[in-house]
Amino acid sequence: DAGVIQSPRHEVTEMGQEVTLRCKPISGHNSLFWYRQTMMRGLELLIYFNNNVPIDDSGMPEDRFSAKMPNASFSTLKIQPSEPRDSAVYFCASSTSGAGHGYTFGSGTRLTVV
Amino acid sequence: GNSVTQMEGPVTLSEEAFLTINCTYTATGYPSLFWYVQYPGEGLQLLLKATKADDKGSNKGFEATYRKETTSFHLEKGSVQVSDSAVYFCALSVSGYSTLTFGKGTMLLVSP
Repeated sequence: DAGVIQSPRHEVTEMGQEVTLRCKPISGHNSLFWYRQTMMRGLELLIYFNNNVPIDDSGMPEDRFSAKMPNASFSTLKIQPSEPRDSAVYFCASSTSGAGHGYTFGSGTRLTVV
Repeated sequence: GNSVTQMEGPVTLSEEAFLTINCTYTATGYPSLFWYVQYPGEGLQLLLKATKADDKGSNKGFEATYRKETTSFHLEKGSVQVSDSAVYFCALSVSGYSTLTFGKGTMLLVSP
């Protein structure tokens, strides 16, 4: 398996532009998670899906952020409009159900909003 | 609620020194425990795990023992290498919950 695949690896965009981050989870994993990592706030859970259904989006910073999972093999995280304070590394992770399995993380998307 | 507390870093060691990174937890229920490692510019990778009390997880020379009596899961390695320089995260999950609870991470810097 190729693991969790995220694209793009790096994104530089201007303030006000729409940004879409993509994630392909591991085949057979039924849970998907979006995290944001910054020096100031560390690792933050933004939203997670179980069987393609959003379960908890309480970590989504504000209405400018939205996430979708149209099928079991694809998810997007969209920021519209983007702001400089959104600059961070965004990680996607997937897992199977059950407490003992842990997550598999993607390599992340480094977003810079100028 | 569930929480994980890790020692603050950075931890700075010379090559071949002994490593301990402390991790304690609070959990509602019976947790599984994990250590993740994040190398510069990469995502988090599962390093080792333990799913029940007194289990020892081990990988790449690292090990950690699930201590229910002290609610701890300290990470140890007998002889660190420069290539072990990374950020280490302790985490737990509890049956019935889909999400992992992470500690804040501990940076390890190993010098030659």
